Amino acid sequence: AQTVTQSQPEMSVQEAETVTLSCTYDTSESDYYLFWYKQPPSRQMILVIRQEAYKQQNATENRFSVNFQKAAKSFSLKISDSQLGDAAMYFCAYRRKETSGSRLTFGEGTQLTVNP
Amino acid sequence: DSGVTQTPKHLITATGQRVTLRCSPRSGDLSVYWYQQSLDQGLQFLIQYYNGEERAKGNILERFSAQQFPDLHSELNLSSLELGDSALYFCASGKGGDVEAFFGQGTRLTVV
Repeated sequence: AQTVTQSQPEMSVQEAETVTLSCTYDTSESDYYLFWYKQPPSRQMILVIRQEAYKQQNATENRFSVNFQKAAKSFSLKISDSQLGDAAMYFCAYRRKETSGSRLTFGEGTQLTVNP
Repeated sequence: DSGVTQTPKHLITATGQRVTLRCSPRSGDLSVYWYQQSLDQGLQFLIQYYNGEERAKGNILERFSAQQFPDLHSELNLSSLELGDSALYFCASGKGGDVEAFFGQGTRLTVV
């Protein structure tokens, strides 16, 4: 079974600084998807960024980027120029590639605090 | 707005009762997923339906059941409720071959 581990229950960062959230996963599949979701106090699940395992290039979305190390099964999220609105719980998630879709397996989450 | 609608947003009920949570997926999405988010268990996958048929089952209790109707909306039925069933229940939908599944805003269930 696939597992996702986030070893940092809490992280904090100063506004305008950079922070990196860690995630490792375990799978025997060769092709899959990885995601970072943000859950603010509203509890809505918001997709931040996604990575397809067969793509070697790291995904980037504005201030958010990932460091995808397939061999090490590591998928970290870097947030640059942190803003107060980035404060939230962040979940790393894994998904197998299937034509009918497949479940997301989530990590435990990292609570990010942004200090003004 | 993700396009996935969940009702009700909040639900308070007593132990032993039965409730039904409803999910309307995005237009054209064939897959519906149910997840439970509780404080001590994190985000757990419950069940997936694809075009009306059960496709995958996760950590869903026998007291819980779900179905997907011909119009593709889905319902999650929770019966003989216990205090520990208090959680946020999310529905997500996708077309199947999509990379991404889109989440509804969740139903907050409180069992008292």
